[in-house]
Amino acid sequence: GEDVEQSLFLSVREGDSSVINCTYTDSSSTYLYWYKQEPGAGLQLLTYIFSNMDMKQDQRLTVLLNKKDKHLSLRIADTQTGDSAIYFCAESMGTGGSYIPTFGRGTSLIVHP
Amino acid sequence: DTGVSQDPRHKITKRGQNVTFRCDPISEHNRLYWYRQTLGQGPEFLTYFQNEAQLEKSRLLSDRFSAERPKGSFSTLEIQRTEQGDSAMYLCASSLAAGAEAFFGQGTRLTVV
Repeated sequence: GEDVEQSLFLSVREGDSSVINCTYTDSSSTYLYWYKQEPGAGLQLLTYIFSNMDMKQDQRLTVLLNKKDKHLSLRIADTQTGDSAIYFCAESMGTGGSYIPTFGRGTSLIVHP
Repeated sequence: DTGVSQDPRHKITKRGQNVTFRCDPISEHNRLYWYRQTLGQGPEFLTYFQNEAQLEKSRLLSDRFSAERPKGSFSTLEIQRTEQGDSAMYLCASSLAAGAEAFFGQGTRLTVV
């Protein structure tokens, strides 16, 4: 995950918005993803964005992409206790056509009642 | 189709023993990935298949590891002469094509004692 960086922890109050940030290094990245992982479980795909887009919204989730700064963010509106989990940012690099998803270390989101 | 399934969910083995894990991808998904995840880390890429062809292997995949996908459907990951450092969650993912969203199974948690 050395090419994808995320802050390790985020704590928010229930009902507030959460913003999880990610930076990536490969400018040829074509696809960028957000996954959610609950304890002891696999990864659940939340949303993804193509690198030719700036923003994508899906219900409570908003993804913003700043290609110039290689910065990706995930905003969760009206955060609930059930949103407590680890969130992973991933990039899928197009160089050579491999498109292998590469993950960051994850951001642990803690939602307080 | 219920998604990517992995078997077993948990495996405890003695050091030096061989273990084999199975992954059944989503039907018609051409790509199949294997990742390893340790505590506090994101998934680390091990290897992937395009149909039955194994196209790339990570440097993490030592000679003791071997993966197959004989008919382009299910895949197996074998670890020979297990070591304590092999203890991790082994995750399988599949996608319809290169760059398409990757869907993960629940993982196999390996503990080497």
